[in-house]
Amino acid sequence: QVQLVQSGAEVRKPGASVKVSCRASGYSLSVSTYYIHWVRQAPGQGLEWMGWINPKTGGTKYAQKFQGWLTMTRDTSVSTAYLELNRLTSDDTAVYFCARGEILGGTTLTMPPDYWGQGTLVTVSS
Amino acid sequence: QSALTQPASVSGSLGQSITISCTGTSSNVGSYSFVSWYQQHPGKAPKLIIYEVTKRPSGVLNRFSGSKSGNTASLTISGLQAEDEADYYCCSYAGISTLAFGGGTKLAVL
Repeated sequence: QVQLVQSGAEVRKPGASVKVSCRASGYSLSVSTYYIHWVRQAPGQGLEWMGWINPKTGGTKYAQKFQGWLTMTRDTSVSTAYLELNRLTSDDTAVYFCARGEILGGTTLTMPPDYWGQGTLVTVSS
Repeated sequence: QSALTQPASVSGSLGQSITISCTGTSSNVGSYSFVSWYQQHPGKAPKLIIYEVTKRPSGVLNRFSGSKSGNTASLTISGLQAEDEADYYCCSYAGISTLAFGGGTKLAVL
């Protein structure tokens, strides 16, 4: 069955960077027709879409709010997608989810996600 | 502020039905049939319960149903059970390869 397994909780100081991983199993990341989306949820708040990476091509799309602040990459040899966050502040304390979203054939249009990772808590504190 | 508007909270008694709305614009909900709904219990990942406005994934009970009219999508839960108490989020394709989420609705089962 499809599973997305994320790396464990992280604690960083303000100004630092963090890299979160998301390992896919149950389907082939490299030949699939699915994006990997990243979604943020601050404590007590709602879900916020951050962007996606196309694991097959490496192409990315970031929400305007996050451009210049994050980087999405992948390593298909280990079926893993990554989210790197830079210049962290306390406002970036949140759970970060990866999730799979189908690409509609021949387009860049993506369905909302179906399978989700368990989430990774990133805490930014001095 | 979320691109899609949901009521902050709704409540219903055991066995009753409730409906949660998700209001967007002609740039998202109104233009695409790619609206999904998620159920999230505290400390857990969101779980897909409705996709493409009205479809249920395998294993999701038929007590959950979705619909759309114009720029507003809706989730109806019938025969409320205690385990339905959770947060519910809508999500829509929003054009130019982007997605938008609603702010979430907390469901209380009385």
